[in-house]
Amino acid sequence: SAVISQKPSRDICQRGTSLTIQCQVDSQVTMMFWYRQQPGQSLTLIATANQGSEATYESGFVIDKFPISRPNLTFSTLTVSNMSPEDSSIYLCSVAKSLAELTDTQYFGPGTRLTVL
Amino acid sequence: QKEVEQNSGPLSVPEGAIASLNCTYSDRGSQSFFWYRQYSGKSPELIMFIYSNGDKEDGRFTAQLNKASQYVSLLIRDSQPSDSATYLCAANAGNNRKLIWGLGTSLAVNP
Repeated sequence: SAVISQKPSRDICQRGTSLTIQCQVDSQVTMMFWYRQQPGQSLTLIATANQGSEATYESGFVIDKFPISRPNLTFSTLTVSNMSPEDSSIYLCSVAKSLAELTDTQYFGPGTRLTVL
Repeated sequence: QKEVEQNSGPLSVPEGAIASLNCTYSDRGSQSFFWYRQYSGKSPELIMFIYSNGDKEDGRFTAQLNKASQYVSLLIRDSQPSDSATYLCAANAGNNRKLIWGLGTSLAVNP
């Protein structure tokens, strides 16, 4: 598996501000993902963080709102920009690791609980 | 649109019973299937994966895959109150390394 940490674990922010969430992994991984999970809902993929190139965003998510950095194979950040109350959610980082007989298995960080007032 | 569907529940079973969780998927290109457990306020944790037709057992958990019917299930034997959680089914998106997620099934195991 993988040991993944996220900072901050939670935050309360004012609308119009930005928050940067950090994700750190204990080993090098090729694939890192950022998800959003709203209360009582399933996981929604925001983007795939690519090392050395721009992130790949899913439909409905744009770089101006959710800029992502991936400076190396163990670290990524997600910024939630110009926040509104609708951005209140749990943001999860995940990494994909290949097992011997299988394609990528995803492991999740503990999440960042964001509340926007 | 590639989809993974699950009954949202809640599924309620008595302690010691078998809990059966079901999932269907639309993308015939999916090769690997995953079951995650998510406790309230926590992040998803991997329980099992399966990629071959048939059954795969791990302790009290058995995953079943039927590619012809595009159906995946998870059986939990001797259910415990600590198994009460939301169970998420996911399928890999063909050659894409992303996962397609179901909405999750809420399981309540009653003492």
